[in-house]
Amino acid sequence: QLQLVESGGGLVKPGGSLRLSCAASGSGFSFSYYYMTWIRQSPGKGLEWIASIDGDASHTEYADSVQGRFTISRDNAKNSLFLQMDSLSGEDTAVYFCARDSGRYCDGGGCYLSDWGQGTLVTVSS
Amino acid sequence: EIVLTQSPGTLSLSPGERATLSCRASQNINYNFLAWYQQKPGQAPRVLIYGASSVATGIPDRFSGSGSGTDFTLTISRLESEDFAVYYCQQYGRSPYTFGQGTKLEIK
Repeated sequence: QLQLVESGGGLVKPGGSLRLSCAASGSGFSFSYYYMTWIRQSPGKGLEWIASIDGDASHTEYADSVQGRFTISRDNAKNSLFLQMDSLSGEDTAVYFCARDSGRYCDGGGCYLSDWGQGTLVTVSS
Repeated sequence: EIVLTQSPGTLSLSPGERATLSCRASQNINYNFLAWYQQKPGQAPRVLIYGASSVATGIPDRFSGSGSGTDFTLTISRLESEDFAVYYCQQYGRSPYTFGQGTKLEIK
């Protein structure tokens, strides 16, 4: 059974930075095999896909809303996924979920979100 | 960007009834890469249906998906109390991988 646990959320001032982490665990789960994704959910904008990364971190994709401000990365040795968030604004206030994609080769589409963490709340406010 | 429009916004039904939820896309979805997720308050979404009609592992067979191209449907054949939740569709055929705004299924 795969478990994904996010951490690192909190209150940050506009213009500030935050780094989210997602720890993956579970028997028989090969973290490095799978694409991983960050999604966020805010009352005003619903669910929003924001970034994905392939298994060996050679390919990343970003939503336009975070391109150039957020960086997705991973440490396969530690079964961990990260999201570095810079230049934050109130529009970034949301619950952030990490999720495992359904496959290994998801470049340009083809993989749904098969497992989700419980999420971590990020609030951007002065 | 592919816009997904779900209808109705809220659906009020009783246990035992049949639920039909709609998801319409602004453009054709490649290979019918359309998923449905269920979300309960305070919980993460969980996948129910992928590829428009394939039922995810562990999902009861009262859930089914259909459709192709731009029009998709999630059907719950006989509602049980635990099915009252919010349902989202998502297209994963083309980046950005967009979600619908959700349908809230509430007890009548």
